[in-house]
Amino acid sequence: DQQVKQNSPSLSVQEGRISILNCDYTNSMFDYFLWYKKYPAEGPTFLISISSIKDKNEDGRFTVFLNKSAKHLSLHIVPSQPGDSAVYFCAASPLSNSGYALNFGKGTSLLVTP
Amino acid sequence: DTEVTQTPKHLVMGMTNKKSLKCEQHMGHRAMYWYKQKAKKPPELMFVYSYEKLSINESVPSRFSPECPNSSLLNLHLHALQPEDSALYLCASSHPTGTTSYEQYFGPGTRLTVT
Repeated sequence: DQQVKQNSPSLSVQEGRISILNCDYTNSMFDYFLWYKKYPAEGPTFLISISSIKDKNEDGRFTVFLNKSAKHLSLHIVPSQPGDSAVYFCAASPLSNSGYALNFGKGTSLLVTP
Repeated sequence: DTEVTQTPKHLVMGMTNKKSLKCEQHMGHRAMYWYKQKAKKPPELMFVYSYEKLSINESVPSRFSPECPNSSLLNLHLHALQPEDSALYLCASSHPTGTTSYEQYFGPGTRLTVT
């Protein structure tokens, strides 16, 4: 049962414009959310995270927004660059005392065109 | 330094072989993880170690045997695997929860092919 859903398998954006990647979750116990970027044949690279006590977190060109009532989060990339082209995974977890289990969405493949 | 290293990068093994995957981190993280990723699928959690003790086992078959010899090392011992076990095996590490940041940092993975 997929508890984290990324309903757009792919997204194409022009260089310099905003990229918006969306993610929905079903488990109300999730209280920590992360975005990862992945190139082929490499491990996921951590981008940005947000805990459930916040609704926005910003790091440079990347901003994550969390809407708990809608169980929805989004990643904004502004401005988009060709090097941002990769697969982006949304992940969520309930925090526990001993490590935590990330539940990943299926990913959105972002293509930034010059 | 946010590096997690994994060896080998590629591994081909027969169904009767015994092999091990290795993972190492020097970030002082006390939680380490094994994930399995099939093509065009998201990573799936297999095991979590916290303070060198197994804390989560996601009903993984016994032909996969994890080991955490110390706080920097994590092994995955493989025995009598099936062709459907072919996948990218990812190791990750993080601070345990209760600290200020607990992002999981991933290694590059071991591409495993079972013949």
